[in-house]
Amino acid sequence: DSGVTQTPKHLITATGQRVTLRCSPRSGDLSVYWYQQSLDQGLQFLIQYYNGEERAKGNILERFSAQQFPDLHSELNLSSLELGDSALYFCASSETSRTGELFFGEGSRLTVL
Amino acid sequence: AQSVSQHNHHVILSEAASLELGCNYSYGGTVNLFWYVQYPGQHLQLLLKYFSGDPLVKGIKGFEAEFIKSKFSFNLRKPSVQWSDTAEYFCAVKNSNSGYALNFGKGTSLLVTP
Repeated sequence: DSGVTQTPKHLITATGQRVTLRCSPRSGDLSVYWYQQSLDQGLQFLIQYYNGEERAKGNILERFSAQQFPDLHSELNLSSLELGDSALYFCASSETSRTGELFFGEGSRLTVL
Repeated sequence: AQSVSQHNHHVILSEAASLELGCNYSYGGTVNLFWYVQYPGQHLQLLLKYFSGDPLVKGIKGFEAEFIKSKFSFNLRKPSVQWSDTAEYFCAVKNSNSGYALNFGKGTSLLVTP
């Protein structure tokens, strides 16, 4: 158990819909990262937050957005969903923004039909 | 472009065989290097990491990796694999150029047969 909690574990929805994925980081970790894992693209970095502020942006689509709340949990919002958004979405946390390993949650598997 | 390359996408070995998985990166400057493992149906777990010092790093479960700065490489090794090592292995790089986010290679799928 990494200490990072993600909900929901599985989600099935239709194209055009909007979903929210939630992540609770390890106790004391200020930095949260979101990754998308798909068969063809591998693990793609989407976005990073540190203590409530956006710190780095990766290959995140404009239809996707995220935020980190004062209690440090984070949400990833995916809207106008397409079939190609079906993937495993991982959240990870780390103590600091610059150094240290990342601790990953078990992921949220999104299926868009 | 900055990238992390893993040379082998699929590797099949018999138990007790030796393992070496290649990883090269193209980031400049100071880098932190990682190998993560993802067992079937599970989340990513850290195998080992390199920040500085001895370029030969030992990790969990008998894995080790060697950082060769001149070759921009961080290859993962294990002298004798077990069936339980069947998993997906990811090399990752973290540095200031990437905003300190962890950038992963596409992964190597390892199947160890009895």
